[in-house]
Amino acid sequence: DAGVIQSPRHEVTEMGQEVTLRCKPISGHNSLFWYRQTMMRGLELLIYFNNNVPIDDSGMPEDRFSAKMPNASFSTLKIQPSEPRDSAVYFCASSLWTGGAVMNTEAFFGQGTRLTVV
Amino acid sequence: GDSVTQMEGPVTLSEEAFLTINCTYTATGYPSLFWYVQYPGEGLQLLLKATKADDKGSNKGFEATYRKETTSFHLEKGSVQVSDSAVYFCALSPGGSQGNLIFGKGTKLSVKP
Repeated sequence: DAGVIQSPRHEVTEMGQEVTLRCKPISGHNSLFWYRQTMMRGLELLIYFNNNVPIDDSGMPEDRFSAKMPNASFSTLKIQPSEPRDSAVYFCASSLWTGGAVMNTEAFFGQGTRLTVV
Repeated sequence: GDSVTQMEGPVTLSEEAFLTINCTYTATGYPSLFWYVQYPGEGLQLLLKATKADDKGSNKGFEATYRKETTSFHLEKGSVQVSDSAVYFCALSPGGSQGNLIFGKGTKLSVKP
């Protein structure tokens, strides 16, 4: 398997523009996570899906952010309109959740999308 | 809410030195604990994990023990190499969650030859 694939790797856009980040999880995984990494705040969970259904979006910073997972092999994170403070590295991760109270399966991360909003 | 606190970096060591990176957590219930490593320009990779109290996770010479009494999961390695230079993240997955991770701020390790 090629692992979690994110695109683009780098994105530079002007303030006010719409930005769409894409993620293809590992085949067979049923959980997908979007994280944001900044120097100031570290790694923050934005939203996660289980079986394509959003479970917790409490980390989404504002209504400008939205995420979708139309099928098991694709997810998008959209920012509209983008602002300079959205500049960060955005990571997608996937895992196989088999139920139960103990999380003992590994989350696999993509290489991230470095977003710069000027 | 649940949280993870790890020691501030950066940490600079000479090759073959002993490494400790402290990590403590706050959580309700019984979380699973993880150490992830991030090499420059890459995503995070799982280094080791422990899912219950007194479990020891180990990989590539790194070890960490789940200490419920002190709510800690300190990372150790007896002899570091230049290739260990990276950023290390302590994380927890809350008990009963579906795998979402709460991360510490990360500790940058630089190993000099």
